[in-house]
Amino acid sequence: DAGITQSPRHKVTETGTPVTLRCHQTENHRYMYWYRQDPGHGLRLIHYSYGVKDTDKGEVSDGYSVSRSKTEDFLLTLESATSSQTSVYFCAISGGNSGANVLTFGAGSRLTVL
Amino acid sequence: SQELEQSPQSLIVQEGKNLTINCTSSKTLYGLYWYKQKYGEGLIFLMMLQKGGEEKSHEKITAKLDEKKQQSSLHITASQPSHAGIYLCGADYNAGNNRKLIWGLGTSLAVNP
Repeated sequence: DAGITQSPRHKVTETGTPVTLRCHQTENHRYMYWYRQDPGHGLRLIHYSYGVKDTDKGEVSDGYSVSRSKTEDFLLTLESATSSQTSVYFCAISGGNSGANVLTFGAGSRLTVL
Repeated sequence: SQELEQSPQSLIVQEGKNLTINCTSSKTLYGLYWYKQKYGEGLIFLMMLQKGGEEKSHEKITAKLDEKKQQSSLHITASQPSHAGIYLCGADYNAGNNRKLIWGLGTSLAVNP
């Protein structure tokens, strides 16, 4: 199995608080992604990274920021969490031998914003 | 996503039965990816299809890409309880250069023993 871990796996927080989710990979893959998964909307890309310090927005980036200071770590930050950001967040990586767009996903982080 | 429609939304079959899940695109596909998600877990890559008419198999799961219809079908032969989960298709519309795959909403499969 690809080495990709997300932390925390579960978090409950209150509206207005900052939240940071961490994705850590041991595969040395170039590309890293943050998705959110919601009923009725499926998987939607929040941000992705194509290298250290290189990131780009996805389709639902408002309210989220990311940082990638090392190849292995990709952080997703909610500066001021809102109830609409209650979701399951998935990190993914790609760029290995299986093909540039073949994604390997983490187990997910379930975030509840009260 | 309206660009990518999966059908059916859910499916319950008896163990041993065959089934088909479809993924239809409203735009020209460059590539189509199939993933499986077990409840409460991450997505597992199944297959990638890139050429019209391409067909791939993994154990008892076969996927085809129909370029004319811009549709992919995923067929499971002799279903088992281990096949239960959510099947998602993801579309690449930009010759592999765009990192932004578009995803279907998923098909939930239950297999009754």
